[in-house]
Amino acid sequence: SQQGEEDPQALSIQEGENATMNCSYKTSINNLQWYRQNSGRGLVHLILIRSNEREKHSGRLRVTLDTSKKSSSLLITASRAADTASYFCATGANSKLTFGKGITLSVRP
Amino acid sequence: GAVVSQHPSWVICKSGTSVKIECRSLDFQATTMFWYRQFPKQSLMLMATSNEGSKATYEQGVEKDKFLINHASLTLSTLTVTSAHPEDSSFYICSAAGSSSYEQYFGPGTRLTVT
Repeated sequence: SQQGEEDPQALSIQEGENATMNCSYKTSINNLQWYRQNSGRGLVHLILIRSNEREKHSGRLRVTLDTSKKSSSLLITASRAADTASYFCATGANSKLTFGKGITLSVRP
Repeated sequence: GAVVSQHPSWVICKSGTSVKIECRSLDFQATTMFWYRQFPKQSLMLMATSNEGSKATYEQGVEKDKFLINHASLTLSTLTVTSAHPEDSSFYICSAAGSSSYEQYFGPGTRLTVT
């Protein structure tokens, strides 16, 4: 069964703007990961945040995790047209990943 | 970084035939490999987890006799869709994990179309 639930389901922004995507989950986790998928392609790992971490940065990406609210957010700063893709959060527990439904991000040039 | 390949990248087969999909970890030893399927515009659903040298563990609702998984070495796992039907048409993605990593490395996926 799916655990992560992202919102919004779709997001359209102008190049240069920031994109914020949220993910909520229901049960205990070891870590939470964000992935990107370009249409018809495999997944690219973006960032992993462990359950004892609150914030993590990687380049233009910033991820936060609030275990008390069982939620995470992914911020992409200064978006580019190449960031257009589907983004999934996945919760990790017992070596398994459970994926959310995904967010479709469109960045208009 | 860790690279996982899948072969073939796409396959079209006739109903009733069997199709084998390979998943290889190219530059690391994968203790565990995972198989997912993804329908259009939907999320990835875990089908099964396989550990090298042991039987795969299937998720609830996944028919183990239909989706045969073999993980014979630390770099290769195969998924065989037996007696494929049109409803098996989907995007199948594998991932691989090392023994000490939470992170899964995903293959590029295989698009199966059953006619």
